[in-house]
Amino acid sequence: EDQVTQSPEALRLQEGESSSLNCSYTVSGLRGLFWYRQDPGKGPEFLFTLYSAGEEKEKERLKATLTKKESFLHITAPKPEDSATYLCAVQGLYNDMRFGAGTRLTVKP
Amino acid sequence: ETGVTQSPTHLIKTRGQQVTLRCSSQSGHNTVSWYQQALGQGPQFIFQYYREEENGRGNFPPRFSGLQFPNYSSELNVNALELDDSALYLCASSLSGVGGGYEQYFGPGTRLTVT
Repeated sequence: EDQVTQSPEALRLQEGESSSLNCSYTVSGLRGLFWYRQDPGKGPEFLFTLYSAGEEKEKERLKATLTKKESFLHITAPKPEDSATYLCAVQGLYNDMRFGAGTRLTVKP
Repeated sequence: ETGVTQSPTHLIKTRGQQVTLRCSSQSGHNTVSWYQQALGQGPQFIFQYYREEENGRGNFPPRFSGLQFPNYSSELNVNALELDDSALYLCASSLSGVGGGYEQYFGPGTRLTVT
């Protein structure tokens, strides 16, 4: 069965303090690994799709990387507005998307 | 370009009742997926519709059913509501063909409370 585990569950950073979020996964036939950001009471907001090991994508202060077993979301010099829950999801062979429980990021000014 | 919209925003139902939630896909998208998100958890995949046919289903009982219409809008129906059905229900639309690995764009969700 496809599984996605995110760590840590919660992360508190000072503004400017860089860090990484982890997403470990097992999936039968990876079609894509997705990162989303979710603010309280809102739907997830799409950030990145990664398709194969070695792939990297960047957007502003965020960079996502992918290996055969895990993905990392690197946050460089975060700002308070980066505070949110970051969700990782994998899409397998049967069109289902399996999400992790998320990492709740708080960035203090 | 219009994003994904969902209605209603909030809903309160009694155990045993039936509920219908609605979703309008983003313009140009042909696939819609529905998710259930409990507090503090990631979304759980319910099912997906592609060109009006169910195209994948998660581990949810048959009392969860759906429809996709020719204009690619969609409904989620839940019969015989249980207390554990209380959650945020999310709709996501995407443009897909054969294959996969496509980005999904989410609506704001419908908060369902079952009492």
